[in-house]
Amino acid sequence: GDSVTQMEGPVTLSEEACLTINCTYTATGYPSLFWYVQYPGEGLQLLLKATKADDKGSNKGFEATYRKETTSFHLEKGSVQVSDSAVYFCALSSYSSASKIIFGSGTRLSIRP
Amino acid sequence: EPEVTQTPSHQVTQMGQEVILRCVPISNHLYFYWYRQILGQKVEFLVSFYNNEISEKSEIFDDQFSVERPDGSNFTLKIRSTKLEDSAMYFCASSVGAGGSTGELFFGEGSRLTVL
Repeated sequence: GDSVTQMEGPVTLSEEACLTINCTYTATGYPSLFWYVQYPGEGLQLLLKATKADDKGSNKGFEATYRKETTSFHLEKGSVQVSDSAVYFCALSSYSSASKIIFGSGTRLSIRP
Repeated sequence: EPEVTQTPSHQVTQMGQEVILRCVPISNHLYFYWYRQILGQKVEFLVSFYNNEISEKSEIFDDQFSVERPDGSNFTLKIRSTKLEDSAMYFCASSVGAGGSTGELFFGEGSRLTVL
């Protein structure tokens, strides 16, 4: 079945460092891809999305490009801030289902001042 | 800003007891969902609900689980006879359109269930 695999955490970086969180997927057809973020004490919220191959989603300085040839959707940011500390979830919408989203296990990111 | 609210934030129960987790979705949303995350594992889809009926459910969502929208505002998940392996964080979510097509689900903070 459809699935998402993302790099295990925790990831700890210094402020202003570059960030990459790897995500790969397995799916039939052409899923839409998403990154969700969960800040401490809050629910998951959509960070960015891409709905077709080569699309780039971006928000709050984060970017991810839908790479069909490598079935990847890696999350990147050029300069992280302490406020980016959170858990990041890669996800896809299943081609066979209009109603559900399939999530990865999440990557905890901690940024040191 | 409208948000999804869940109660309780943490519930501890004995194995075999019934548990009801409650959610108040965002008021103009039409699709409702329950997900769960066992510690350290993936966020797993349980069920989606639209137009007062289940639109999709996973293999996890067996006969011990049920969902209900009893009064037009609350959306509840009932676990009839809890097992140790039901210990997890349960997330409620809602969306305006079908989640798979828009991707924009709005989540609550979660209800942590601990089964002893």
